[in-house]
Amino acid sequence: GQQVKQSSPSLTVQEGGISILNCDYENDMFDYFAWYKKYPDNSPTLLISVRSNVDKREDGRLTVFLNKSGKHFSLHITASQPEDTAVYLCAAGASGGSNYKLTFGKGTLLTVTP
Amino acid sequence: NAGVIQTPRHKVTGKGQEATLWCEPISGHSAVFWYRQTIVQGLEFLTYFRNQAPIDDSGMPKERFSAQMPNQSHSTLKIQSTQPQDSAVYLCASSLAGRVFFGKGTRLTVV
Repeated sequence: GQQVKQSSPSLTVQEGGISILNCDYENDMFDYFAWYKKYPDNSPTLLISVRSNVDKREDGRLTVFLNKSGKHFSLHITASQPEDTAVYLCAAGASGGSNYKLTFGKGTLLTVTP
Repeated sequence: NAGVIQTPRHKVTGKGQEATLWCEPISGHSAVFWYRQTIVQGLEFLTYFRNQAPIDDSGMPKERFSAQMPNQSHSTLKIQSTQPQDSAVYLCASSLAGRVFFGKGTRLTVV
């Protein structure tokens, strides 16, 4: 089965609103969680990540929340802009030394309308 | 820093031909990953090297697919006897201290 799952294939938000993207995972061994942004025909680009020892991390308009007991993490984008429109991939990994083999969700297409 | 470099960006092969995809990781990164991206399956892990040694190839189809990392500056993914279902974007990534950076991928089309 899918170890990392994004249940919403798409999301539409009005400009200025909050975009909330969700991700569920199955593997208890995952201790690293990340969100990537992917434009059409471009490679995924790391936006923000957290390790399992924190529940929340903020970086500008981005906040990632981690709920370990629920095996769930989310990305909140405040003051959403049309340029935020893209596919967002969540990813999780289990540390093998200092490097992570990442398992990805299938992505959520976020569309921010003016 | 040019990032992870993948060549070619696009490749078209005939069914049954061999395809070799190249990746140059970011200098100093100790881990190199290969992923395959399709619309149906999304981003699938194929294989992983750490300090040039193969660590995990659990995502590699056992037949026809092979990957090597002969030195720290490049890795190759070879697909023998390509089939139409091998058509995908193949992404290489390198990592240091847990941060993973992707190349722009090679779009393989098997006709």
